[in-house]
Amino acid sequence: EPEVTQTPSHQVTQMGQEVILRCVPISNHLYFYWYRQILGQKVEFLVSFYNNEISEKSEIFDDQFSVERPDGSNFTLKIRSTKLEDSAMYFCASNSQGALYEQYFGPGTRLTVT
Amino acid sequence: AQTVTQSQPEMSVQEAETVTLSCTYDTSESDYYLFWYKQPPSRQMILVIRQEAYKQQNATENRFSVNFQKAAKSFSLKISDSQLGDAAMYFCAYTGANSKLTFGKGITLSVRP
Repeated sequence: EPEVTQTPSHQVTQMGQEVILRCVPISNHLYFYWYRQILGQKVEFLVSFYNNEISEKSEIFDDQFSVERPDGSNFTLKIRSTKLEDSAMYFCASNSQGALYEQYFGPGTRLTVT
Repeated sequence: AQTVTQSQPEMSVQEAETVTLSCTYDTSESDYYLFWYKQPPSRQMILVIRQEAYKQQNATENRFSVNFQKAAKSFSLKISDSQLGDAAMYFCAYTGANSKLTFGKGITLSVRP
């Protein structure tokens, strides 16, 4: 069964450094999402992406964040200058039909900012 | 804005027994989906069950079923014949026209052998 993959599984970085989290969505999916979960807290929406542009973003998704689909398979989340509070689990998700349909989640990338 | 509320932070159930996890939501939309996701210690998000708002019939998936009360905006998950592998964090989630998922705070379910 096709699945969403994410790399790396765990990333440790120093405050102020740039990180890129990578996702490979399911191949025929057209809608892509990033979510964040700070340890012990709920999962929060960051951004949705369709047709090579951002569809919606949350208040969390400020100028430090950017997303890109550099080729036909990868979907990346970049944090330009990481802060301690960016430490969280980051989940990528995708679906084929956008609104009102279930999203398929990747296994997540645990980001630790020291 | 849509909100999802899970007021119970944790619950415990005896193996083989039945447990119900509560969830309420608030929305002004008429067309939406509701989900329950399971998050084991690995932190992978696993879809357990989904319910389309336009369907009156409650969704079932093997040992998992929901009680969807649209007028009351309530969406509870019933787990029958609980197994040790059911122990996890469970999140209730909502999606509407803007496609993003809105999650509740989650509930930690423990299963006693």
